[in-house]
Amino acid sequence: NAGVTQTPKFRVLKTGQSMTLLCAQDMNHEYMYWYRQDPGMGLRLIHYSVGEGTTAKGEVPDGYNVSRLKKQNFLLGLESAAPSQTSVYFCASSYTTEGFFYEQFFGPGTRLTVL
Amino acid sequence: AQSVTQLGSHVSVSEGALVLLRCNYSSSVPPYLFWYVQYPNQGLQLLLKYTTGATLVKGINGFEAEFKKSETSFHLTKPSAHMSDAAEYFCAVSDPGFNFGNEKLTFGTGTRLTIIP
Repeated sequence: NAGVTQTPKFRVLKTGQSMTLLCAQDMNHEYMYWYRQDPGMGLRLIHYSVGEGTTAKGEVPDGYNVSRLKKQNFLLGLESAAPSQTSVYFCASSYTTEGFFYEQFFGPGTRLTVL
Repeated sequence: AQSVTQLGSHVSVSEGALVLLRCNYSSSVPPYLFWYVQYPNQGLQLLLKYTTGATLVKGINGFEAEFKKSETSFHLTKPSAHMSDAAEYFCAVSDPGFNFGNEKLTFGTGTRLTIIP
């Protein structure tokens, strides 16, 4: 049981390049999330998904797109990277039972630098 | 809209001393409350949570927190700090109940805890 895994762990991009971050979870969780973490700002939600084939915008969605084609995977895309997207990106997953919210399980993070 | 305020972005305590990390929230209804810990270069790990029931909740590694509705607070404490407690701590809230909204967390900006030998 690997939990939540993220690929890659590190990446350096040039402005204007594109890339996709992959998140995978093996816990059969319905809910998946992408956050970015910046110094002094905590974690901010980019996009999230409440099930296969569904996605929704979070607090800071601009410049990012996501897809959830399979329940276990949640992809975060940057179509044209900008220096402002330099950050550490975390994926998380969770499940609920009868509407009660349970904890989110986090991946180890992807450190992205955009030059 | 919910918000979370963590007082003190950096806290230093001596080894063996009391740890107190402060968290206040703003919400129209009593939310679910969480404390997460992040060790260097790692993801976040749940320390403890409050959803319903007893307002004093115990977590891993000897930490506990008390939900005080009248003060809209959920402060994290540990009686005796250990060197291994050095990390960043995040308070988070979510909407309670059965409607969409409770699947999302709002995080505070974090408190970096340093332990002085």
